[in-house]
Amino acid sequence: GQNIDQPTEMTATEGAIVQINCTYQTSGFNGLFWYQQHAGEAPTFLSYNVLDGLEEKGRFSSFLSRSKGYSYLLLKELQMKDSASYLCAVSNDYKLSFGAGTTVTVRA
Amino acid sequence: GAVVSQHPSRVICKSGTSVKIECRSLDFQATTMFWYRQFPKKSLMLMATSNEGSKATYEQGVEKDKFLINHASLTLSTLTVTSAHPEDSSFYICSATGDGYTFGSGTRLTVV
Repeated sequence: GQNIDQPTEMTATEGAIVQINCTYQTSGFNGLFWYQQHAGEAPTFLSYNVLDGLEEKGRFSSFLSRSKGYSYLLLKELQMKDSASYLCAVSNDYKLSFGAGTTVTVRA
Repeated sequence: GAVVSQHPSRVICKSGTSVKIECRSLDFQATTMFWYRQFPKKSLMLMATSNEGSKATYEQGVEKDKFLINHASLTLSTLTVTSAHPEDSSFYICSATGDGYTFGSGTRLTVV
């Protein structure tokens, strides 16, 4: 089975940095994705990790350690529009299994 | 980039009726499409995997006779919720594999 854990909620100040952790236990692994989802909308792709290490993409970075079953998403220079739910998803046999999502609230 | 169009975005139907949701890949061919449902403040739960020209593969606990999936072409998959009941009210999202996983904009189904 799949077990993907991430914190439920996080709050941060505009301009700050927030790190969202994700731990997973899955029967197989083809890669790990991070998505952003605003309420009532579809998820939008943020990052993808298949090998260990850090992937940087503008203000967003994602890290993966396959041996530890651990990933994090780093959001820098937070903006109000970054308030959303962030979903960690693991690809296994090319099907995605999602964590419950972390709601990030950015305060002025 | 890859675009997936999902229609309708919102639908309200009476209990006992059927609702069809369409998912189209606009600028790429999608051999495989996935259907998810999402309850408020919950994660996306995979319902089924749809492969063009073959029967869909349903996840455990998903009734295939209730959630009919048809993937008749490389660009279109449909999900029909048959004999809908209020407990079927949810947010349904499709995704297609092309350049990674691309999601449709979702369908908010309300059964009254």
